[in-house]
Amino acid sequence: EVQLVESGGGLVQPGGSLRLSCAASGFTFSSYSMNWVRQAPGKGLEWVSYISSSSSTIYYADSVKGRFTISRDNAKNSLYLQMNSLRAEDTAVYYCARGGSYSRWGQGTLVTVSS
Amino acid sequence: QTVVTQEPSLTVSPGGTVTLTCASSTGAVTSGYYPNWFQQKPGQAPRALIYSTSNKHSWTPARFSGSLLGGKAALTLSGVQPEDEAEYYCLLYYGGAVVFGGGTKLTVL
Repeated sequence: EVQLVESGGGLVQPGGSLRLSCAASGFTFSSYSMNWVRQAPGKGLEWVSYISSSSSTIYYADSVKGRFTISRDNAKNSLYLQMNSLRAEDTAVYYCARGGSYSRWGQGTLVTVSS
Repeated sequence: QTVVTQEPSLTVSPGGTVTLTCASSTGAVTSGYYPNWFQQKPGQAPRALIYSTSNKHSWTPARFSGSLLGGKAALTLSGVQPEDEAEYYCLLYYGGAVVFGGGTKLTVL
């Protein structure tokens, strides 16, 4: 069974940092590109970042460029999102999603940026 | 800044047919934007329905179909069921970037 499980969310002060993880199982992780998507409370979906299967290609939304870093460890079947210089507007549920077709999603992890 | 526009809300009767659309501020949506469609119910993660305009995932019910219509991407639900009440999001690719539409709240009444 394909599973994506996000972790690492929590409450952080503005300007702080947080590292999200996404543990993958039930498929060959190293064969798929991966994505981070977020959803602010009561709002729509917002694409955050993309990483290719080999990490050779990475893209970011303008809203997070220079502050967030996506990475992956294919040996550990894991995807990461390092978030620095966090702002109140980064408050959201963060989802990892598989592949170019976003075929599978995790249940999300909530990040709250507040003093 | 690229904007992807969807109908904010639509209402359909059970058994009816409804079409949701997805427009791009850059112009006509073509297959090169690889339109994707997702369904999200309250408190749940999104679920993928359609990819690359019209391709269904193995779990996508047959009553859902994707197409291009009048310069927009479209998601058509035929024979709507009560359980189809949800928020629907489209996604378009712009080279190295991805933009989601604002979502359509579909009410089955």
